[in-house]
Amino acid sequence: GAGVSQTPSNKVTEKGKYVELRCDPISGHTALYWYRQSLGQGPEFLIYFQGTGAADDSGLPNDRFFAVRPEGSVSTLKIQRTERGDSAVYLCASSLIGTSGPSTDTQYFGPGTRLTVL
Amino acid sequence: AQKITQTQPGMFVQEKEAVTLDCTYDTSDQSYGLFWYKQPSSGEMIFLIYQGSYDEQNATEGRYSLNFQKARKSANLVISASQLGDSAMYFCAMRVPYNQGGKLIFGQGTELSVKP
Repeated sequence: GAGVSQTPSNKVTEKGKYVELRCDPISGHTALYWYRQSLGQGPEFLIYFQGTGAADDSGLPNDRFFAVRPEGSVSTLKIQRTERGDSAVYLCASSLIGTSGPSTDTQYFGPGTRLTVL
Repeated sequence: AQKITQTQPGMFVQEKEAVTLDCTYDTSDQSYGLFWYKQPSSGEMIFLIYQGSYDEQNATEGRYSLNFQKARKSANLVISASQLGDSAMYFCAMRVPYNQGGKLIFGQGTELSVKP
């Protein structure tokens, strides 16, 4: 079946602008995660949705970042007043359900959105 | 606090040989999951192998095996019979308990280069 998809694949914007990044998880996956990966680093957690609600948003760096998942499927990460330091690859991952076990525990990643803030 | 450490920034291996990528983790939790992901230059994060904290047997997936030593808190990835297509970044990750959100914590990664 289809994997996790993310759009756009690349986004170039100017400092101070607003951007939206979209994630379409694997069908039936109730858990959805956003991560941010800076150059040469491992991904860092931003926010986790279980269904429609944000179960953990402790990784969002500040109040310029916000994410929604209104119908429990597609999620949008929104960044206001972008700064050059926001430049990174934004990764989305989904998993079947939040319980232990190889089939349910594994988070599958999308191809990412490369955000460049000029 | 939970932490993943990968001490090898870069590794070289000859084609068809085996290679071990090191990963140690730090946690006081009893329930967690350990993962290895491969990230080629294209940027996608590809799941390779999973080990649950309560699993007594080491996980294997084709040419990949995970050497899980719980007492030492290590979860090394072994790739047998390396292929040129194995050249990529490899990330070790730990899934925190679900009552803490179930997020993945990643190490810094190891860049593997396979020589012909």
